[in-house]
Amino acid sequence: AQSVAQPEDQVNVAEGNPLTVKCTYSVSGNPYLFWYVQYPNRGLQFLLKYITGDNLVKGSYGFEAEFNKSQTSFHLKKPSALVSDSALYFCAVRDSGNKYIFGTGTRLKVLA
Amino acid sequence: NAGVTQTPKFQVLKTGQSMTLQCAQDMNHEYMSWYRQDPGMGLRLIHYSVGAGITDQGEVPNGYNVSRSTTEDFPLRLLSAAPSQTSVYFCASSREFKGGYTFGSGTRLTVV
Repeated sequence: AQSVAQPEDQVNVAEGNPLTVKCTYSVSGNPYLFWYVQYPNRGLQFLLKYITGDNLVKGSYGFEAEFNKSQTSFHLKKPSALVSDSALYFCAVRDSGNKYIFGTGTRLKVLA
Repeated sequence: NAGVTQTPKFQVLKTGQSMTLQCAQDMNHEYMSWYRQDPGMGLRLIHYSVGAGITDQGEVPNGYNVSRSTTEDFPLRLLSAAPSQTSVYFCASSREFKGGYTFGSGTRLTVV
């Protein structure tokens, strides 16, 4: 069965610094990987996805993610963090069985 | 374009009562899913559907039923509510297998 792990409950970063939110996965076959963001009292919003091709994918709001097959990771990154990026971030994986599984989430706090 | 609409937004049930959470999308999406979100546990998949007439169980299906008689609607039924079903419920849909999900704004359910 596929699974997703987000090893950090919270990540703190200073405004203007680069940020990384970690995600590792376990899935049989080719993984389809996704990142979402959730602001307080809101539903999740799609940020980006990796299906195939270039290992570095770019998404909304200046976010990007790097797919690393050997390390089974799909870390979310942004070169310069904004206070408005503070939110809850979820990694998700979909396998050929149609199930779409989310990680437990990482709270990002950007400090002014 | 309404996207994914969930009703009600808030609900309080007594133990043993039944109810249906409604989910409708107007984007002609084939894939729909129901998740529950609990603190520290991320989003857990309850049931999902890959098209009208086709549903399957997710990670935590016990106590819930679904049906998909039309492409647009995917209601979630709680058969006999229990305090353990207190949660925030999200419905989501996507057009294609490799697509990102569009989420509804959620239903906050409390079972007393």
